[in-house]
Amino acid sequence: GAVVSQHPSWVICKSGTSVKIECRSLDFQATTMFWYRQFPKQSLMLMATSNEGSKATYEQGVEKDKFLINHASLTLSTLTVTSAHPEDSSFYICSARPGTSGHNEQFFGPGTRLTVL
Amino acid sequence: QKEVEQNSGPLSVPEGAIASLNCTYSDRGSQSFFWYRQYSGKSPELIMFIYSNGDKEDGRFTAQLNKASQYVSLLIRDSQPSDSATYLCAVKSDMRFGAGTRLTVKP
Repeated sequence: GAVVSQHPSWVICKSGTSVKIECRSLDFQATTMFWYRQFPKQSLMLMATSNEGSKATYEQGVEKDKFLINHASLTLSTLTVTSAHPEDSSFYICSARPGTSGHNEQFFGPGTRLTVL
Repeated sequence: QKEVEQNSGPLSVPEGAIASLNCTYSDRGSQSFFWYRQYSGKSPELIMFIYSNGDKEDGRFTAQLNKASQYVSLLIRDSQPSDSATYLCAVKSDMRFGAGTRLTVKP
């Protein structure tokens, strides 16, 4: 149980285009989903926290107009990188917390590697 | 002070040895603590969580929590080369991670 999928697993796009990444909890309902970014040899950096049906909470320094997050259902959250630039190239990872979790553990998707040319 | 700090390593141990990974945190009110393992190029996977003072064992892994001293550790017994990865500590429900400790288990 507790499987989280992400799509696509990798994407290459041109500078200035937008890219949408989907995160799905496959066998549980996720009231909260998290989006992280990880640059090579660095730790996970929390970008935003999204709760189903409400606006995402962004971490300081993360542009909410550039990284659009939608958590429209209890099993799906999307991250759209708008007007992507080479410096946005990174490993984007989502995670989901089951609504029934008593200890707040979260489960990670496999990640999406974004390369902006 | 960072919210979560880990001994950055890298840590190298021989196969069969005990690997000890440590994490300190700043928020004394933290209730839940998590250890994740991340292989290179992959996303993290949950190893253990602990919320009570003391030890929690799961196979070769033991998590230790000391709330008074604000640290949580992970012991890996009988380390295997397949344990070579980066280990991430996370505290609190908002899941901010430490920088991670890179562990290498040498055959």
